[in-house]
Amino acid sequence: AQKITQTQPGMFVQEKEAVTLDCTYDTSDQSYGLFWYKQPSSGEMIFLIYQGSYDEQNATEGRYSLNFQKARKSANLVISASQLGDSAMYFCAMRGAQAAGNKLTFGGGTRVLVKP
Amino acid sequence: NAGVMQNPRHLVRRRGQEARLRCSPMKGHSHVYWYRQLPEEGLKFMVYLQKENIIDESGMPKERFSAEFPKEGPSILRIQQVVRGDSAAYFCASSPNALGATNTGELFFGEGSRLTVL
Repeated sequence: AQKITQTQPGMFVQEKEAVTLDCTYDTSDQSYGLFWYKQPSSGEMIFLIYQGSYDEQNATEGRYSLNFQKARKSANLVISASQLGDSAMYFCAMRGAQAAGNKLTFGGGTRVLVKP
Repeated sequence: NAGVMQNPRHLVRRRGQEARLRCSPMKGHSHVYWYRQLPEEGLKFMVYLQKENIIDESGMPKERFSAEFPKEGPSILRIQQVVRGDSAAYFCASSPNALGATNTGELFFGEGSRLTVL
């Protein structure tokens, strides 16, 4: 069974500063994928970034980067230069090699509020 | 609009009624996933379907819930005899194929259908 844990229910960040969102996972699969999604107040789920378990480099997408520490089973999301539009819920998710298709397991989420 | 389309966006039902939620995947996508999100919680997997087949329904409640993805038309999530605990946002996602964990293949989500049971 796979499990995703996000220990920060909510956090404030000052505009233009960086913020790190924690995510730890548990799986017995050797091959797996890790994802981060953003859910603004409007409700849609927006894909942000992906990290494969065999990727040697940390993934980056614009202001988003994923701090992947395989031995610690952590996949923290770093948002640099926060903007007011970054205020949202953020979900870490995982797909294991044994999962059917693209079935994802999600964490409980972290609510980020960016202060001007 | 080439995105995943869900309707209705909002649905209100009284206890005991039926709710039908529809999902049209992105063009060219034949794999559909349904997730449920309770308030202030993450998404919980319900069911994974391909055209005319249920592949994984391990997250579906054993009673009152059913899903289909017919050869023609949208995928339907059906909830019979709704109860207040069914109030949630129901998300549909699609992908073009079944990818292993070594491929990126993120899921493309619809905007969700918010069910309120009175």
